[in-house]
Amino acid sequence: DIQMTQSPSSLSASVGDRVTITCRASQSISSYLNWYQQKPGKAPILLIYAASSLQTGVPSRFSGSGSGTDFTLTISSLQPEDFATYYCQQSYSTPRTFGQGTKVEIK
Amino acid sequence: EVQLVESGGGLVQPGGSLRLSCAASGFTFSSYWMSWVRQAPGKGLEWVANMKQDGSDKYFVDSVKGRFTISRDNAKNSLYLQMNSLRVEDTAVYYCAREVWDDYSYNWFDPWGQGTLVTVSS
Repeated sequence: DIQMTQSPSSLSASVGDRVTITCRASQSISSYLNWYQQKPGKAPILLIYAASSLQTGVPSRFSGSGSGTDFTLTISSLQPEDFATYYCQQSYSTPRTFGQGTKVEIK
Repeated sequence: EVQLVESGGGLVQPGGSLRLSCAASGFTFSSYWMSWVRQAPGKGLEWVANMKQDGSDKYFVDSVKGRFTISRDNAKNSLYLQMNSLRVEDTAVYYCAREVWDDYSYNWFDPWGQGTLVTVSS
């Protein structure tokens, strides 16, 4: 199985900050990497697919990059509604696996 | 509007069984792979199983193989998860999710249902 490791596990940031979350795969997954946002008590929603493609309706302050084993989710200017937990997920092989999550909290 | 609605969760004793359902609407259900993903309380996301459009292929995470089965009824736009021999560690919110595949075989989960809570406890 492909292991996905996110860092950091949590971070504190202020509104307007640039935030970067990293995801590393245990083997190369090309660009088969997706990012999701989850708020407490809610289902995850898709932000980024295929490593860098922005899902329709997602604000442009979200961006994704990377390929192979190392990937990044960037929020260019953190907004109040962005405080949530973020998960990466590989879709290269079955079983699909997720990172452990990164909780973005208010500083 | 594309929508997935899960049902069937509840409290069950260890060793018991439960059948989850996922009702789909707003899209051509028979054209998509479908998945179940679960989340234990306070924990991360774990993919559980998926099924091909016509039901001919299905896959499971190792921890549920031999205990869970997945099925679908395309005439009813519904996905199911039959869970047998349930364990305390199966306690989680279970989400169904549509798998979207593009022409380059990239694939992702979108949307997700609201989830249904399964609690395995004596």
